[in-house]
Amino acid sequence: EDQVTQSPEALRLQEGESSSLNCSYTVSGLRGLFWYRQDPGKGPEFLFTLYSAGEEKEKERLKATLTKKESFLHITAPKPEDSATYLCAVQLGVLTGGGNKLTFGTGTQLKVEL
Amino acid sequence: NAGVTQTPKFQVLKTGQSMTLQCAQDMNHEYMSWYRQDPGMGLRLIHYSVGAGITDQGEVPNGYNVSRSTTEDFPLRLLSAAPSQTSVYFCATRGTHYEQYFGPGTRLTVT
Repeated sequence: EDQVTQSPEALRLQEGESSSLNCSYTVSGLRGLFWYRQDPGKGPEFLFTLYSAGEEKEKERLKATLTKKESFLHITAPKPEDSATYLCAVQLGVLTGGGNKLTFGTGTQLKVEL
Repeated sequence: NAGVTQTPKFQVLKTGQSMTLQCAQDMNHEYMSWYRQDPGMGLRLIHYSVGAGITDQGEVPNGYNVSRSTTEDFPLRLLSAAPSQTSVYFCATRGTHYEQYFGPGTRLTVT
Protein backbone atom coordinates (compact mmCIF):
# COMPACT_ATOMS: atom_id res chain seq x y z
CA GLU A 1 0.00 0.00 0.00
CA ASP A 2 1.25 3.46 -0.90
CA GLN A 3 2.14 5.44 2.19
CA VAL A 4 3.28 8.93 3.00
CA THR A 5 4.64 9.60 6.50
CA GLN A 6 5.54 13.01 7.87
CA SER A 7 7.66 13.74 10.91
CA PRO A 8 7.65 15.23 13.38
CA GLU A 9 3.93 15.64 13.98
CA ALA A 10 4.58 18.96 15.67
CA LEU A 11 7.58 21.25 15.96
CA ARG A 12 8.19 24.38 18.01
CA LEU A 13 11.05 26.65 17.01
CA GLN A 14 12.38 29.93 18.23
CA GLU A 15 12.53 32.69 15.67
CA GLY A 16 15.76 32.25 13.68
CA GLU A 17 16.19 28.59 14.70
CA SER A 18 16.56 26.61 11.46
CA SER A 19 15.19 23.07 11.15
CA SER A 20 13.88 20.47 8.71
CA LEU A 21 10.61 18.63 8.22
CA ASN A 22 10.60 15.12 6.80
CA CYS A 23 8.29 13.36 4.35
CA SER A 24 9.03 9.71 3.63
CA TYR A 25 7.13 7.70 1.05
CA THR A 26 6.78 4.07 0.02
CA VAL A 27 5.41 4.25 -3.48
CA SER A 28 6.69 3.07 -6.82
CA GLY A 29 6.47 5.04 -10.00
CA LEU A 30 6.56 8.48 -8.39
CA ARG A 31 5.43 11.21 -10.75
CA GLY A 32 5.79 14.10 -8.35
CA LEU A 33 6.06 15.08 -4.70
CA PHE A 34 4.26 18.19 -3.57
CA TRP A 35 4.56 20.44 -0.52
CA TYR A 36 1.66 22.54 0.72
CA ARG A 37 1.20 25.01 3.55
CA GLN A 38 -2.09 25.09 5.46
CA ASP A 39 -3.08 27.87 7.83
CA PRO A 40 -5.81 27.24 10.44
CA GLY A 41 -9.29 27.35 8.92
CA LYS A 42 -8.00 27.62 5.35
CA GLY A 43 -7.34 25.36 2.39
CA PRO A 44 -3.85 24.07 1.60
CA GLU A 45 -1.66 26.43 -0.42
CA PHE A 46 0.72 25.00 -3.01
CA LEU A 47 4.44 25.55 -2.34
CA PHE A 48 6.63 23.21 -4.42
CA THR A 49 6.68 20.29 -6.81
CA LEU A 50 9.69 17.95 -6.97
CA TYR A 51 9.96 15.40 -9.74
CA SER A 52 13.23 13.50 -9.37
CA ALA A 53 15.86 12.58 -6.80
CA GLY A 54 18.42 15.34 -6.34
CA GLU A 55 16.03 18.11 -7.26
CA GLU A 56 15.78 21.20 -5.02
CA LYS A 57 13.33 24.12 -4.98
CA GLU A 58 13.51 27.32 -2.93
CA LYS A 59 11.08 30.01 -1.92
CA GLU A 60 12.04 32.67 0.61
CA ARG A 61 13.05 30.82 3.80
CA LEU A 62 11.92 27.42 2.52
CA LYS A 63 13.91 24.87 0.55
CA ALA A 64 12.55 21.48 -0.51
CA THR A 65 14.77 18.55 -1.47
CA LEU A 66 14.02 15.05 -2.76
CA THR A 67 15.74 11.68 -2.54
CA LYS A 68 14.47 8.31 -3.75
CA LYS A 69 12.67 7.64 -0.45
CA GLU A 70 12.06 10.98 1.23
CA SER A 71 11.78 14.70 0.94
CA PHE A 72 12.88 17.41 3.33
CA LEU A 73 11.48 20.88 3.80
CA HIS A 74 14.26 23.00 5.25
CA ILE A 75 13.25 26.19 7.03
CA THR A 76 16.06 28.71 7.44
CA ALA A 77 15.82 31.43 10.09
CA PRO A 78 12.05 31.03 10.48
CA LYS A 79 9.74 33.84 11.49
CA PRO A 80 6.43 33.65 13.39
CA GLU A 81 4.53 34.06 10.10
CA ASP A 82 5.97 30.70 8.98
CA SER A 83 3.79 29.03 11.61
CA ALA A 84 1.40 26.66 9.80
CA THR A 85 0.83 22.99 9.06
CA TYR A 86 3.02 21.73 6.22
CA LEU A 87 1.64 18.88 4.14
CA CYS A 88 3.38 16.69 1.63
CA ALA A 89 1.68 14.60 -1.03
CA VAL A 90 2.80 12.16 -3.70
CA GLN A 91 1.37 11.44 -7.12
CA LEU A 92 2.04 8.28 -9.03
CA GLY A 93 2.66 8.18 -12.74
CA VAL A 94 -0.14 7.44 -15.15
CA LEU A 95 1.28 4.04 -16.05
CA THR A 96 1.14 2.92 -12.41
CA GLY A 97 -2.52 3.89 -12.18
CA GLY A 98 -2.05 6.98 -10.07
CA GLY A 99 -2.44 9.73 -12.61
CA ASN A 100 -5.47 11.18 -10.89
CA LYS A 101 -4.79 10.41 -7.25
CA LEU A 102 -2.79 12.40 -4.74
CA THR A 103 -1.83 10.69 -1.46
CA PHE A 104 -1.31 13.10 1.44
CA GLY A 105 0.63 12.79 4.65
CA THR A 106 -0.94 13.96 7.90
CA GLY A 107 1.26 17.02 8.15
CA THR A 108 3.74 18.70 10.49
CA GLN A 109 2.33 21.48 12.64
CA LEU A 110 5.02 24.15 12.94
CA LYS A 111 4.96 26.94 15.51
CA VAL A 112 7.62 29.63 15.46
CA GLU A 113 7.87 31.73 18.60
CA LEU A 114 9.48 35.10 19.24
CA ASN B 1 -9.57 36.11 -10.12
CA ALA B 2 -11.40 34.37 -7.29
CA GLY B 3 -9.66 31.02 -7.88
CA VAL B 4 -11.65 28.25 -6.18
CA THR B 5 -14.71 29.21 -4.16
CA GLN B 6 -16.84 27.03 -1.89
CA THR B 7 -20.20 27.54 -0.24
CA PRO B 8 -21.34 27.32 2.47
CA LYS B 9 -18.43 27.89 4.88
CA PHE B 10 -20.22 26.12 7.72
CA GLN B 11 -23.17 23.73 7.82
CA VAL B 12 -24.93 21.70 10.49
CA LEU B 13 -27.14 18.81 9.36
CA LYS B 14 -29.24 16.25 11.16
CA THR B 15 -28.71 12.57 10.40
CA GLY B 16 -30.58 11.61 7.25
CA GLN B 17 -30.76 15.09 5.74
CA SER B 18 -29.33 15.77 2.30
CA MET B 19 -27.42 18.75 1.03
CA THR B 20 -25.13 19.97 -1.75
CA LEU B 21 -21.73 21.55 -1.22
CA GLN B 22 -20.97 24.00 -3.99
CA CYS B 23 -17.61 24.49 -5.68
CA ALA B 24 -16.77 26.90 -8.48
CA GLN B 25 -13.53 27.86 -10.21
CA ASP B 26 -12.48 30.56 -12.65
CA MET B 27 -9.07 29.08 -13.50
CA ASN B 28 -10.34 27.13 -16.54
CA HIS B 29 -8.85 23.92 -15.16
CA GLU B 30 -10.26 20.66 -16.49
CA TYR B 31 -9.50 18.59 -13.38
CA MET B 32 -11.50 19.17 -10.20
CA SER B 33 -11.72 17.11 -7.05
CA TRP B 34 -13.26 16.85 -3.61
CA TYR B 35 -11.35 15.92 -0.44
CA ARG B 36 -12.30 15.49 3.16
CA GLN B 37 -9.91 16.31 5.98
CA ASP B 38 -10.19 14.60 9.34
CA PRO B 39 -7.80 14.86 12.32
CA GLY B 40 -4.99 12.34 12.06
CA MET B 41 -6.17 11.06 8.66
CA GLY B 42 -4.81 13.55 6.18
CA LEU B 43 -6.70 14.69 3.12
CA ARG B 44 -8.59 11.87 1.40
CA LEU B 45 -9.95 11.99 -2.13
CA ILE B 46 -13.73 11.53 -2.43
CA HIS B 47 -14.49 12.06 -6.14
CA TYR B 48 -12.79 13.74 -9.03
CA SER B 49 -13.53 14.92 -12.56
CA VAL B 50 -11.21 15.26 -15.53
CA GLY B 51 -13.66 17.41 -17.48
CA ALA B 52 -17.31 18.24 -18.03
CA GLY B 53 -19.40 15.08 -18.10
CA ILE B 54 -16.62 12.85 -16.69
CA THR B 55 -16.39 11.86 -13.02
CA ASP B 56 -14.77 9.03 -11.10
CA GLN B 57 -14.48 7.73 -7.56
CA GLY B 58 -11.60 8.43 -5.25
CA GLU B 59 -10.56 6.76 -2.04
CA VAL B 60 -13.71 7.36 0.06
CA PRO B 61 -16.72 7.80 -2.29
CA ASN B 62 -19.49 6.08 -0.32
CA GLY B 63 -22.35 8.38 0.66
CA TYR B 64 -21.41 11.09 -1.83
CA ASN B 65 -22.46 11.87 -5.39
CA VAL B 66 -21.00 14.28 -7.92
CA SER B 67 -21.77 15.53 -11.40
CA ARG B 68 -19.96 17.93 -13.72
CA SER B 69 -22.06 19.74 -16.26
CA THR B 70 -19.71 22.71 -16.79
CA THR B 71 -15.98 23.33 -16.51
CA GLU B 72 -16.58 25.86 -13.73
CA ASP B 73 -18.77 23.95 -11.27
CA PHE B 74 -18.36 20.68 -9.39
CA PRO B 75 -20.99 20.18 -6.67
CA LEU B 76 -20.78 17.43 -4.04
CA ARG B 77 -24.04 15.90 -2.83
CA LEU B 78 -24.59 14.14 0.47
CA LEU B 79 -27.62 11.93 -0.07
CA SER B 80 -28.39 10.97 3.54
CA ALA B 81 -26.00 12.55 6.00
CA ALA B 82 -24.39 10.42 8.72
CA PRO B 83 -22.31 11.50 11.75
CA SER B 84 -19.30 9.82 10.09
CA GLN B 85 -19.48 12.51 7.42
CA THR B 86 -18.66 15.24 9.92
CA SER B 87 -15.51 16.70 8.44
CA VAL B 88 -13.96 19.61 6.60
CA TYR B 89 -14.48 19.38 2.84
CA PHE B 90 -12.14 20.92 0.29
CA CYS B 91 -12.63 21.35 -3.41
CA ALA B 92 -9.54 21.62 -5.60
CA THR B 93 -8.51 22.14 -9.19
CA ARG B 94 -5.31 20.97 -10.82
CA GLY B 95 -2.85 23.01 -12.84
CA THR B 96 -0.75 22.00 -15.79
CA HIS B 97 2.07 20.61 -13.64
CA TYR B 98 -0.26 18.56 -11.42
CA GLU B 99 -0.16 21.14 -8.62
CA GLN B 100 -3.53 21.52 -6.90
CA TYR B 101 -5.33 24.69 -5.90
CA PHE B 102 -7.70 24.38 -2.97
CA GLY B 103 -10.79 26.28 -1.97
CA PRO B 104 -11.30 27.65 1.55
CA GLY B 105 -13.28 24.62 2.73
CA THR B 106 -16.71 23.79 4.15
CA ARG B 107 -16.90 22.68 7.77
CA LEU B 108 -19.77 20.18 8.08
CA THR B 109 -21.22 18.83 11.31
CA VAL B 110 -23.79 16.02 11.26
CA THR B 111 -25.67 15.48 14.51
